[in-house]
Amino acid sequence: QIQLVQSGPELKKPGESVKISCKASGYTFTDYAMNWVKQAPGNGLKWMGWINTQTGKPTYADDFKQRFVFSLETSASTAYLQINNLNIEDTATYFCTRWDTTAPFDYWGQGVMVTVSS
Amino acid sequence: DIQMTQSPSLLSASVGDRVTINCKASQNINKYLNWYQQKLGEAPKLLIYNTNNLQTGIPSRFSGSGSGTDYTLTISSLQPEDFGTYFCFQHNSWPLTFGSGTKLEIK
Repeated sequence: QIQLVQSGPELKKPGESVKISCKASGYTFTDYAMNWVKQAPGNGLKWMGWINTQTGKPTYADDFKQRFVFSLETSASTAYLQINNLNIEDTATYFCTRWDTTAPFDYWGQGVMVTVSS
Repeated sequence: DIQMTQSPSLLSASVGDRVTINCKASQNINKYLNWYQQKLGEAPKLLIYNTNNLQTGIPSRFSGSGSGTDYTLTISSLQPEDFGTYFCFQHNSWPLTFGSGTKLEIK
């Protein structure tokens, strides 16, 4: 069955970096783009951007162009989100979700809670 | 950016009720509208894609309709397991945007 399994929760200090993973299984990884979505505590969902799993080319939404990096390890069917120079506003749950051209965002990872606190 | 305005933000209904949730886009999104259900501590679950297509495994009591800027999710007969927060989502144009959510409580 199709699954996106993300890494575990993270507790970081302001200024540090974090790299979270999203491992896909049950389908051909390179057939579907991977997207990232942020959900701050008590807030709604915000699309961060996506990465082309065939070429590795990332595309970032405007609010995520500065400190955010999408990457891949295709041989391991894994996508990564790295956030550099963390600040308090980065405290959120981060989801990976795949883009199906017929039914976008059909499968989601379970989410990774990133807490930034001094 | 396309703004997605959901209403109501909070909804309390009884088992068996017919429930509707609305989503209004700030411009025409050409029926590229999905609906998701999210329960606390879980990932969103796709219910409806492209306005009115039921995702595999989703009960038929869920349905969607709409066009242009106005879209609706309907639950024909509310069940206890339908509590949670519902989000609409437009994928007509970048940046992709979500509605602010409707929290559905079971009376």
